[in-house]
Amino acid sequence: EADIYQTPRYLVIGTGKKITLECSQTMGHDKMYWYQQDPGMELHLIHYSYGVNSTEKGDLSSESTVSRIRTEHFPLTLESARPSHTSQYLCASSGPGGGKWANVLTFGAGSRLTVL
Amino acid sequence: AQSVTQLDSHVSVSEGTPVLLRCNYSSSYSPSLFWYVQHPNKGLQLLLKYTSAATLVKGINGFEAEFKKSETSFHLTKPSAHMSDAAEYFCVVSDGAGGSYIPTFGRGTSLIVHP
Repeated sequence: EADIYQTPRYLVIGTGKKITLECSQTMGHDKMYWYQQDPGMELHLIHYSYGVNSTEKGDLSSESTVSRIRTEHFPLTLESARPSHTSQYLCASSGPGGGKWANVLTFGAGSRLTVL
Repeated sequence: AQSVTQLDSHVSVSEGTPVLLRCNYSSSYSPSLFWYVQHPNKGLQLLLKYTSAATLVKGINGFEAEFKKSETSFHLTKPSAHMSDAAEYFCVVSDGAGGSYIPTFGRGTSLIVHP
């Protein structure tokens, strides 16, 4: 049973639209991440957060932005979508250091975005 | 800096034969190492994790991995492949350098299982 939820699972929109991909987790994890993944390809980290009011850019440059106002919520926003943004976006979270589950990532099911 | 290299982009096996997915890592610290699996149209799921307690780590679905520091390797194995094992497998390293535990993913290995 998933403890991290992403909505929408699938989204098809036109160029220039503003979109927000939602990600929520119920585990109380401090660290949250957004990855971008094209079909059959590797994961690229685009944003991460260590906790409330903390956001950092990842390895892959992205035109998206994120916010972390609440521990459980980490939405990703594209102000003006373009066809190059077509991809799958995966949200993940991880718990504190120490113990069996330290730094283990729990992933959501993903949001598959198509921009026409 | 940490890095991970998955040596094969695709591995093809017959059902019932052994599976070997290779992973080499680089880290300046004592790393945590992970294997994740991604089935088609599904999210990623943890298979197993190494954190220095034991060099041979057992995971779910009969998979295991052995940490070899001298070879900087963390290969994933399974004695007998099942059709349901067909998926994408990712090797991940996280060494906590500078207090950051941001994980680094390998490029992935696609496991193909033939009947």
